[in-house]
Amino acid sequence: QVQLQESGPGLVKPSETLSLTCVVSDYSITIGYYWGWIRQPPGKGLEWLGMIWYSGGTNITPSLKSRVSMSIDKSKRQFSLKLSSVTAADTGVYYCARYNGDYTAFDFWGQGTLVTVSS
Amino acid sequence: EIVLTQSPDTLSLSPGERATLSCRASQSVRTKYLAWYQQKAGQAPRLLIYGTSNRASGIPDRFSGSGSATDFTLTISRLEPEDFAVYCCQQYDGSTPTFGQGTKVEI
Repeated sequence: QVQLQESGPGLVKPSETLSLTCVVSDYSITIGYYWGWIRQPPGKGLEWLGMIWYSGGTNITPSLKSRVSMSIDKSKRQFSLKLSSVTAADTGVYYCARYNGDYTAFDFWGQGTLVTVSS
Repeated sequence: EIVLTQSPDTLSLSPGERATLSCRASQSVRTKYLAWYQQKAGQAPRLLIYGTSNRASGIPDRFSGSGSATDFTLTISRLEPEDFAVYCCQQYDGSTPTFGQGTKVEI
């Protein structure tokens, strides 16, 4: 059973960079899957941010492409998200998840971490 | 970007009743690329259905999915107390994955 766990600061100041890491347990991330980030503003629906391939290639949502970067560290079984120049609109629960290309769906999710943007 | 619109926003039903949830796409989505998730308060989404009609591992057979092109449906044949939650659809037939806004199934 694949397990994912997000970690990072729960509070980020406006204009700063949000940094989150997702550790993958009981599974090797060198096998061919995409590893993704999805967020959910308070009381709203899910928004896909982007995904990173095990080899490092990325697919980022166009609306955030200038602010988002992703990386992967296979030796540590983790992948990371950076979102720059944050505003209050970036407040929400951030999830990491595995994208299963056979299912074309996200089949394993982390529990989510709440990030609040506030001074 | 393909926009998914779910209806209704809220569905008020009783245990044992049948729930029918709709997901409409702004353009045609191939059946392979449509999924459904269940999300309970304070929890991460859980994959229920992939490829329009395939149940994910461990999902009871009271959950079923159907549809094609722009109209997709999630049906819960007999609601159990644990089924009261928010359900959302997701597609990845376009350049980026998108999610519907969700339907809340409440008692």
